[in-house]
Amino acid sequence: AQKVTQAQTEISVVEKEDVTLDCVYETRDTTYYLFWYKQPPSGELVFLIRRNSFDEQNEISGRYSWNFQKSTSSFNFTITASQVVDSAVYFCALRISTSGTYKYIFGTGTRLKVLA
Amino acid sequence: DSGVTQTPKHLITATGQRVTLRCSPRSGDLSVYWYQQSLDQGLQFLIQYYNGEERAKGNILERFSAQQFPDLHSELNLSSLELGDSALYFCASSVGLGTGESYNSPLHFGNGTRLTVT
Repeated sequence: AQKVTQAQTEISVVEKEDVTLDCVYETRDTTYYLFWYKQPPSGELVFLIRRNSFDEQNEISGRYSWNFQKSTSSFNFTITASQVVDSAVYFCALRISTSGTYKYIFGTGTRLKVLA
Repeated sequence: DSGVTQTPKHLITATGQRVTLRCSPRSGDLSVYWYQQSLDQGLQFLIQYYNGEERAKGNILERFSAQQFPDLHSELNLSSLELGDSALYFCASSVGLGTGESYNSPLHFGNGTRLTVT
């Protein structure tokens, strides 16, 4: 099966706390891409990061960091010192090649609430 | 700004009616995807076009159809609307298939069309 699991439906933290959003994926493919998207209350979907299956380097961008581990099929997202503006639904996605095109498989999302 | 334009932003219509949602992809993007997001739900893939041709179908109802025109804009047509069709409809574009930049190109989403069926 090819799927993405975001087991955390909703997380609430107090501002300045660190929070990690989990993403576990399943795929038969050896070549694939993983993505994170943010959907703030205004509704748009914002691309945050991509990672290909051959690049297991962790990435840090400001308060955001991503931990990709092929051994556990996980691509977790950590927000350090969370802020109210981080409140959003976060989606993890897997891209595979199939039937001559790219297919994107999204998780069900994790709603993050950061309380002031 | 993702560069993907969706119109209209909001649409309110009655059951049984037909509506058309429009999407202009980012400049240079050949592939267009349509997704439906119902209230507090995830993203349901509907259909994908690449350079004018249908490439993949997801959970798209027979009452729904789409096309991609020679100028690469796409339209999603929803007919015989039901209350359950109320949702946020997203269009997303990417460079498409192949190598080079297209290989690691993410999906870029428009701001969505919020459809309310009353």
